[in-house]
Amino acid sequence: EVQLLESGGGLVQPGGSLRVSCAASGFTFSDYAMSWVRQAPGKGLEWVSGISGGGGTPFYADSVKGRFTISRDNSKNTLYLQMNSLRAEDTAIYYCARYDCSTTSCPKLDYWGQGTLVTVSS
Amino acid sequence: DIRMTQSPSSLSASVGDRVSITCRASQSIDIYLNWYQQKPGGAPKLLIYTTSNLQSGVPSRFSGSGSGTDFTLTISGLQPEDFATYYCQQSFSTPRTFGQGTKVEIK
Repeated sequence: EVQLLESGGGLVQPGGSLRVSCAASGFTFSDYAMSWVRQAPGKGLEWVSGISGGGGTPFYADSVKGRFTISRDNSKNTLYLQMNSLRAEDTAIYYCARYDCSTTSCPKLDYWGQGTLVTVSS
Repeated sequence: DIRMTQSPSSLSASVGDRVSITCRASQSIDIYLNWYQQKPGGAPKLLIYTTSNLQSGVPSRFSGSGSGTDFTLTISGLQPEDFATYYCQQSFSTPRTFGQGTKVEIK
């Protein structure tokens, strides 16, 4: 059974940094591209970033480019999102999701975690 | 970036009704359109991919159609468990933009 479990969320001050993680199980992690999608309280979904199965060619939304870094450790079956220079508007539930093949050109996000809440506030 | 616009933003319907939700892209996305369902407090769930393909385990009362810029999600015979928010997402290009969501409520 495919499982994605996010962790690392919490309260951080504006300008601060936080790293969230996503532990994957039930599939060969390195065979699949992964993504982060966020949802601000009471709002819709926003795609944030994606990375290929091998860890190359990451992509970012303009809203986080230069501040967030996606990475993965295939030996630990774990996806990361390093978030720097955080702003109030980054407050959201952060979901990790699996693309259905090894590259970020795959058409669908077929499995999602339950999310981790990041709150940026003083 | 490709902008995705859903309509309506919300609708009220009764169990057994046929419901349609529309998604329009700001430019052609061929057939690269997915639909997700999200229930309160839960993660999004993939329903339909590349316009009309039903994800494994999704009931056949869900269907999708369209191409280019205009797409439709139809629920034929609404069930109590279908009351949720539905999002379209284009998979034609990065960033993979979502529509703003359509909330389906009980009448």
